[in-house]
Amino acid sequence: QVQLVESGGGLVRPGGSLRLSCAASDFSFSDFYMSWIRQVPGEGLEWVSYINSLGSYTKYTASVKGRFIVSRDNAKNSLYLQMNSLRVEDTAVYYCARDLGAAAGTFDLWGRGTLVTVSS
Amino acid sequence: QSMLTQPPSVSGAPGQRVTISCTGSGSNIGAGYDVHWYQQLPGTAPKLLIYGNKNRPSGVPDRFSASKSGTSASLAITGLQTEDEAVYYCQAHDSSLGGSVFGGGTQLTVL
Repeated sequence: QVQLVESGGGLVRPGGSLRLSCAASDFSFSDFYMSWIRQVPGEGLEWVSYINSLGSYTKYTASVKGRFIVSRDNAKNSLYLQMNSLRVEDTAVYYCARDLGAAAGTFDLWGRGTLVTVSS
Repeated sequence: QSMLTQPPSVSGAPGQRVTISCTGSGSNIGAGYDVHWYQQLPGTAPKLLIYGNKNRPSGVPDRFSASKSGTSASLAITGLQTEDEAVYYCQAHDSSLGGSVFGGGTQLTVL
C-alpha cells in the first residue's frame, strides 16, 4: 500500500531535541522530493522544509533554519527531521508529504502525522 | 502569518454552490506559480483536491473545480454534500520564502 508513516513525536522540554522519521512504502521513494509540513492543533498548515530526491539540497522556513535538519536515506525509504533547540512554538503535528512538483509543492501523499509537544 | 489569504469560513445548503477565494501576491500566485487545493476532514491529514490550478486527481468528484487569475485563485464546489464539510487550504510556491505557502484555511459548513 502506497503510504507514509511518521514516528518519533512526543513531549520534550524547551531547548531539547527530537528526531522524527517518515517511512515510505510501495513507491519509488528516491524519485521524489519530500517535505515536512506542520500544523498547530486547531490551526493552519505551515511548510517547514523540503529535501531533493538525492538528499543533496535542502530548504527551510525561516523560523526553523539553523535548528532543524532534514535528511533522507533512500536505501531505507526513509525521511528524517532532526529538531534541535526546540521552542514552545514548535508544538504541532508534523506531517511528511511527497512532492510531485520537485519543490514546487504539489503534495499528493501525506502521512497521518506525529505530534510534537514542547513544554516545561 | 499566512501569505495566502482565504476567508475563515463559508457555508451553504446541500445541493448549493460555494466558492472559496485565495489571494496571494507577486512572489507566489502572481509570479505564475501553480495553486493547489487541499481538503482536510476532521481528525485526518490533508488530501490533495486540486493540483496545477485546475486539475483533479483521480477519485476527486467533478463537483470540485478551481481556477486562477492574476494574484488570486478560487475553488468552487457544486452540489454540496454533507461529507464536504471540511477545512480547505490553498497552497503555492513562494519565491521569497523559497518554499511553499499555505492559506489560513477555510472552514466549509454544510447547513
